[in-house]
Amino acid sequence: QKEVEQDPGPLSVPEGAIVSLNCTYSNSAFQYFMWYRQYSRKGPELLMYTYSSGNKEDGRFTAQVDKSSKYISLFIRDSQPSDSATYLCAMERGGSEKLVFGKGTKLTVNP
Amino acid sequence: NAGVTQTPKFQVLKTGQSMTLQCAQDMNHNSMYWYRQDPGMGLRLIYYSASEGTTDKGEVPNGYNVSRLNKREFSLRLESAAPSQTSVYFCASSVFRVSGGARKTQYFGPGTRLLVL
Repeated sequence: QKEVEQDPGPLSVPEGAIVSLNCTYSNSAFQYFMWYRQYSRKGPELLMYTYSSGNKEDGRFTAQVDKSSKYISLFIRDSQPSDSATYLCAMERGGSEKLVFGKGTKLTVNP
Repeated sequence: NAGVTQTPKFQVLKTGQSMTLQCAQDMNHNSMYWYRQDPGMGLRLIYYSASEGTTDKGEVPNGYNVSRLNKREFSLRLESAAPSQTSVYFCASSVFRVSGGARKTQYFGPGTRLLVL
């Protein structure tokens, strides 16, 4: 079983839709959870992060972590065509120098 | 403040040729990383350097060497390129924050597209 699983999609939604992106993981040592956004032919950039379980909101984006289920989610409200990108989840074990990335989900928001 | 820069942006090699990918960061970060990204495979760590003078293998180190030249620069060398090394290569750097942000946010460069024929 891979440490981090992420459905690659692709996911296509109309503008204004609520988008739900998810990752599951197997390693209970992960403590920090991140979402990166990668536009086509660009490097990934950090979108949101959370520590341990709970929710975090930033504008139209909400990140959720459920450590009991080993499941993290990213919700995008009122999605815009500019949200079209690949979204990668990433996780960090405490004390490690390395992140473990999901394979990414490609999202297209159609006007 | 340029962040993480990578050169070249694009390169075509023939099988067996060698080349070095350059990476530099101006954020005074201690840690630097090299990843490759392939369709369906996601980001895979090749090598990383937790501090100047140290390097460690990642998930897919075979066929690559690295040098942490100083705190700013981290290069990736392909000694004898193979078609399987055709990929997009990303360099990243990170800083450990006690508070005020993600503990180990990694900042990525724009990538180098490498084609090995």
